[in-house]
Amino acid sequence: AQSVTQPDIHITVSEGASLELRCNYSYGATPYLFWYVQSPGQGLQLLLKYFSGDTLVQGIKGFEAEFKRSQSSFNLRKPSVHWSDAAEYFCAVGPPYGNKLVFGAGTILRVKS
Amino acid sequence: SQTIHQWPATLVQPVGSPLSLECTVEGTSNPNLYWYRQAAGRGLQLLFYSVGIGQISSEVPQNLSASRPQDRQFILSSKKLLLSDSGFYLCAWSGRTVGGYTFGSGTRLTVV
Repeated sequence: AQSVTQPDIHITVSEGASLELRCNYSYGATPYLFWYVQSPGQGLQLLLKYFSGDTLVQGIKGFEAEFKRSQSSFNLRKPSVHWSDAAEYFCAVGPPYGNKLVFGAGTILRVKS
Repeated sequence: SQTIHQWPATLVQPVGSPLSLECTVEGTSNPNLYWYRQAAGRGLQLLFYSVGIGQISSEVPQNLSASRPQDRQFILSSKKLLLSDSGFYLCAWSGRTVGGYTFGSGTRLTVV
């Protein structure tokens, strides 16, 4: 069965510090992977997605993620965090067709000044 | 461009009252449509999805139902709300090929 694990419920980083949010997935075929961000009281916004090709993908707002098949991971990174990055981040995995995505439980990012 | 509209943004309803949340998509045809519920600290739970008019799949047994009366309209309903129905409800659409979801802005439902 498909599943996504985000091991960290909360992460706090200082503004300007680097960030890595972890995501591990279980999927029986080639995974299609996504990262979404949600500001409080808002819907989810797509940050980036991986379908195939280069395992390092660039997204919006300076985020990137690296797909590592051997580790079943798709970790999200940002070199320098800004206070506006404080939000909840969701990793998701899904099939190429049908698009029934399975989401992780989310990681809440807090940024301290 | 495609847009998704979801309303109302917030709703406070008494226990036992009915519910109707509406979601519409513009700028695309024949989308896949989804209703998710987000409870505090519990991530996103898929409630219903639809691949066409009148075609609804339920993912979990619950007090809710969904309908798709038109191609780009998706409605979440309940005849009698329970306290446990409180949460943040999100509608989303996707195309027929890989691309992920586009989410609406959500409805905060509080059952009192």
